[in-house]
Amino acid sequence: DGGITQSPKYLFRKEGQNVTLSCEQNLNHDAMYWYRQDPGQGLRLIYYSQIVNDFQKGDIAEGYSVSREKKESFPLTVTSAQKNPTAFYLCASSTYRASNYGYTFGSGTRLTVV
Amino acid sequence: AQSVSQHNHHVILSEAASLELGCNYSYGGTVNLFWYVQYPGQHLQLLLKYFSGDPLVKGIKGFEAEFIKSKFSFNLRKPSVQWSDTAEYFCAVNADGGATNKLIFGTGTLLAVQP
Repeated sequence: DGGITQSPKYLFRKEGQNVTLSCEQNLNHDAMYWYRQDPGQGLRLIYYSQIVNDFQKGDIAEGYSVSREKKESFPLTVTSAQKNPTAFYLCASSTYRASNYGYTFGSGTRLTVV
Repeated sequence: AQSVSQHNHHVILSEAASLELGCNYSYGGTVNLFWYVQYPGQHLQLLLKYFSGDPLVKGIKGFEAEFIKSKFSFNLRKPSVQWSDTAEYFCAVNADGGATNKLIFGTGTLLAVQP
């Protein structure tokens, strides 16, 4: 079945450590996105990429980094510079015309800083 | 800045009651509009979408939404809710005419349906 796989499902990190969240899709979608979901704040865009080797900052990119070396993969690194990293992270993908078709979402990674 | 407002943060209904969840956006140009649902323990799923044509759109599971351009609104409705509709509902807008694929999401509405 085609879809988006996020791993791990749960992740614990010590303060001061970087951590990388994985996102892989086999939908042949051009565009991929990372959102952060916090209670009462909805989904906020961290980074997005419309093609391989290109990505743009979203609304809350500070303290995060991404890469898009392959069409299928869009890993997100939460760096030690992110002040409040504990959250639920969602990856999504879309065809180039997401405005018509919307996104497909992964099942998310819950990151907890301990 | 573009924004999406969902005025109801928590809604509690009894089964068979009618549902209307509000969604307003702040952009005057061409918009594409979406409602997503997140059932407990599941990932976000597309309920319905509007990008042109009939402003009354029908989605899965008996949901519908009406795009009212003059009110900048895209409210979600269902005539009779079921316990299985308990979920969090998100309105989303693509407000740059498709120049990018960015969706801006509202803060979500938690719906609890009591049997």
